[in-house]
Amino acid sequence: QSVLTQPPSVSEAPRQRVTISCSGSSSNIGNNAVNWYQQLPGKAPKLLIYYDDLLPSGVSDRFSGSKSGTSASLAISGLQSEDEADYYCAAWDDSLNGFYVFGTGTKVTVL
Amino acid sequence: QVQLQESGPGLVKPSETLSLTCTVSGYSISSGYYWGWIRQPPGKGLEWIGSIYHSGSTYYNPSLKSRVTISVDTSKNQFSLKLSSVTAADTAVYYCARVMVRGVADYWGQGTLVTVSS
Repeated sequence: QSVLTQPPSVSEAPRQRVTISCSGSSSNIGNNAVNWYQQLPGKAPKLLIYYDDLLPSGVSDRFSGSKSGTSASLAISGLQSEDEADYYCAAWDDSLNGFYVFGTGTKVTVL
Repeated sequence: QVQLQESGPGLVKPSETLSLTCTVSGYSISSGYYWGWIRQPPGKGLEWIGSIYHSGSTYYNPSLKSRVTISVDTSKNQFSLKLSSVTAADTAVYYCARVMVRGVADYWGQGTLVTVSS
């Protein structure tokens, strides 16, 4: 049911930079803020980026978010083994009575 | 520190109603924020179920709306999820979360696995 599309997986070597895309539409990303969550194996998701590009307290500044039109991106710089996880974008969707929608998820592998 | 803990049966029979409760500590539900439920089928992605404000105002996922009820008990600092007419497709880890405006979940419970099986 997800209307936010992400690549299934991305991989990169340690200390490199990786980006994850999130594609939506005018009813969600185009008109509302994008948020990103990190889910480590076997753990609950953790808020990583909110309101497009804001970092919650305690989140490393190696993570950054951006948005343009109906697409958004999450960048991870200085990739570390501990960054190996699933990442989900999410946004409010204004269609129907309004609801929150998650992206399809991207598995980040550190080579 | 805000903490959330899900509780409820880990096994539910098909066609019955799934009921879960989330107990919040370190923050009063009455003070604000929305409070929500998210689920994740085994090996799959996240799905937002819905959220409730302490006043009772709710938002539900349109695909689940006909089967979902979320309620809040401010006296116990808890909120609850009921999902009716469950099938195997409702088998998932269910998370509760504190929700900022427009769905942003900043604090999460550890999650609880609910299996639908006879």
